[in-house]
Amino acid sequence: AQKITQTQPGMFVQEKEAVTLDCTYDTSDPSYGLFWYKQPSSGEMIFLIYQGSYDQQNATEGRYSLNFQKARKSANLVISASQLGDSAMYFCAMSSSGGYNKLIFGAGTRLAVHP
Amino acid sequence: GAGVSQSPRYKVAKRGQDVALRCDPISGHVSLFWYQQALGQGPEFLTYFQNEAQLDKSGLPSDRFFAERPEGSVSTLKIQRTQQEDSAVYLCASSLMTGTENYGYTFGSGTRLTVV
Repeated sequence: AQKITQTQPGMFVQEKEAVTLDCTYDTSDPSYGLFWYKQPSSGEMIFLIYQGSYDQQNATEGRYSLNFQKARKSANLVISASQLGDSAMYFCAMSSSGGYNKLIFGAGTRLAVHP
Repeated sequence: GAGVSQSPRYKVAKRGQDVALRCDPISGHVSLFWYQQALGQGPEFLTYFQNEAQLDKSGLPSDRFFAERPEGSVSTLKIQRTQQEDSAVYLCASSLMTGTENYGYTFGSGTRLTVV
C-alpha cells in the first residue's frame, strides 16, 4: 500500500533562514509523482512543487526546492529565505496508480516563521 | 470563475440531518476531486469525476455519502443521516487535465462540516 510519512508535527524557523521539511514515502509503483502543498489558515491547498519519479534533476520553484532521494524514498521540501507569510501547514503527497493523480497525503507539518 | 468555489463555507448539522455541499470548479476543468480532511490530518480522497462520469468512488466511507456532477461542471457531495464522525473539512479540487500529467490541481477553500 502507498503511504506518506511526515515525522515533524511542527517546525519553526527564523525569518530569512532556510528550513527543510521531511517527507518519506512508500510505494511499489515504478512511476509516481510527489507533491508539496501549503495550507494557510484560510483552508485552501496551494500547490508548491512537483517531482516525477523519473525526473533526473531535483525540482525547483522560486524559493522552494525538492530534495528527491529515490533510493531512500524521501522527498524533502527546502524553503529558502523564509518569510513570515510562509507560516502554514505543509503537506507532502504522492500520486497513486490509476492514471489520474489521485493524491495520498501525509499528516502535515506546521511551520512557524519567527521575526 | 477565477478559482474553485465551495459553499457553504461552514455548515453545522444536527446528527441525522442530510447535508449537501457544493463545488463550482474552474470553468472548463475536466477533472474534479473531493477530499475529506479531519482535524489535524491530511486530506483523504473520496471520489473523482472526469466530466460527468464518476470514475472512482472508492474513498466514500459509507453508502450515506453520494456525489454527483450531472453536467460535467458543478458537483454536489451529499451526506445522508450525518454522524459525528462526518465532522471534517470537505475539499474540492479541479484540473484542466486528466491522466498522469494531471498535477495542476486547484483546490477550493473547503466546507467545514460540524455535526452536533
